[in-house]
Amino acid sequence: AQSVTQLDSQVPVFEEAPVELRCNYSSSVSVYLFWYVQYPNQGLQLLLKYLSGSTLVESINGFEAEFNKSQTSFHLRKPSVHISDTAEYFCAVRLFSGGYNKLIFGAGTRLAVHP
Amino acid sequence: DTEVTQTPKHLVMGMTNKKSLKCEQHMGHRAMYWYKQKAKKPPELMFVYSYEKLSINESVPSRFSPECPNSSLLNLHLHALQPEDSALYLCASSQGSGVGNTDTQYFGPGTRLTVL
Repeated sequence: AQSVTQLDSQVPVFEEAPVELRCNYSSSVSVYLFWYVQYPNQGLQLLLKYLSGSTLVESINGFEAEFNKSQTSFHLRKPSVHISDTAEYFCAVRLFSGGYNKLIFGAGTRLAVHP
Repeated sequence: DTEVTQTPKHLVMGMTNKKSLKCEQHMGHRAMYWYKQKAKKPPELMFVYSYEKLSINESVPSRFSPECPNSSLLNLHLHALQPEDSALYLCASSQGSGVGNTDTQYFGPGTRLTVL
């Protein structure tokens, strides 16, 4: 069965410091991976995705993630964070089951950026 | 444009009330989803509609009744809810299954539901 593990429930970091949010998955089939961000009192926004091709994917606001098949990981990184990056981050894997696509989410990582 | 809209933003209802949540997308997507999210938890899938037909019901209680009037609209009818049903209800849409590996879900801002 496919599953997603986000190893850190909370990550505190100072502004302008680098950050890595960890995500590991388990899957025996083709993998499609996503990072979503949820700002306080808002819905989920797609941050970036890996569907195929280059294993390094980037978002427009400076985040990047690398698909590592051998380590079954899809960690999210940013070289310098801002206060505005404070949010909940969810890693997800897409599962094709019963003829339909479903997202399997990790438990989430709360990124808290301090001044 | 990857916008999914939801109304209302907030809803407070009693256990005997009947209310509805609305979701709309104009991206031509053929799959639409309802999720329930409790505080500090990931979203939990409730229903999936594909080409306006209910495809997945994740064993949701009958007090939640989904409806897909057309390919752009998705409703969630609520009746006789319990206080533990209080949560953020998220709608999402995607191109739909069978479109290769590009199927990606886009979420709305959610409706914050409080059941008294």
